[in-house]
Amino acid sequence: DVKVTQSSRYLVKRTGEKVFLECVQDMDHENMFWYRQDPGLGLRLIYFSYDVKMKEKGDIPEGYSVSREKKERFSLILESASTNQTSMYLCATLSPWGQGGEQYFGPGTRLTVT
Amino acid sequence: AQSVTQLGSHVSVSEGALVLLRCNYSSSVPPYLFWYVQYPNQGLQLLLKYTSAATLVKGINGFEAEFKKSETSFHLTKPSAHMSDAAEYFCAVSGGGNEKLTFGTGTRLTIIP
Repeated sequence: DVKVTQSSRYLVKRTGEKVFLECVQDMDHENMFWYRQDPGLGLRLIYFSYDVKMKEKGDIPEGYSVSREKKERFSLILESASTNQTSMYLCATLSPWGQGGEQYFGPGTRLTVT
Repeated sequence: AQSVTQLGSHVSVSEGALVLLRCNYSSSVPPYLFWYVQYPNQGLQLLLKYTSAATLVKGINGFEAEFKKSETSFHLTKPSAHMSDAAEYFCAVSGGGNEKLTFGTGTRLTIIP
C-alpha cells in the first residue's frame, strides 16, 4: 500500500509567520504534488516536482515555494502566511504510468491563518 | 489543455436510489479520466479510471462510469445508494504519462435515509 503522510492534520498560524508543510511518501514515486482545496473551487495545483531538486509551478504558485531535497520528501513553504492562505492542503504522488498512473493522496493539512 | 466541468455542486439521493454524478471534459489530446472520492476529514481515494481501454469502467464500492467521446462525458453511476456513499466526488482529466491531473470543482453527495 502506498503511504503518503503529512506532518500535521491541523495547524494554526499567525499572519506573517513562515509555515512549513511536510509530505513524505514511501513508494519511491518520482512525481509529487501540492494542492490546495477550497469549497466550490475543487483542487488547485500549487507546485509539483518530477524529481529531486526539480520543481514546476502549478496554477496558483504565488505566495508559496517548495523544496525537494530527497525523493521521498516534498515540502510546501509559506514564506509569510496570510489569511487568504487559510485552506486545506493536500499532498499527492503519482505512480509511473506502467504501474497505473494513479495519484495517491495524503490525509491533508487544514491550515488556519489568523 | 484539459478541463473538467462537474454539473451540480450538491446532489441528494434517497438510500437505495440511483446515483448519477455528471462530469464533462475538454481535452486537446485523448484524455485519461478519473473519479476520486473524499470522505470527511480524509484525503482523496481513487474510485475508477479510464485509460482508453473499455469505455465502461467499473470501480470500487459498486461505482461505474462510461466514457462517451461523442458527448465528452464521463458520468459516475451506482445503481443503489448506500449511506456510506455520502462524500465529495471529484472528476479529473489528464493527458496521460507524467501529465498532471486537472480536477473539477467537486460534487457533494448526500444520502437521504
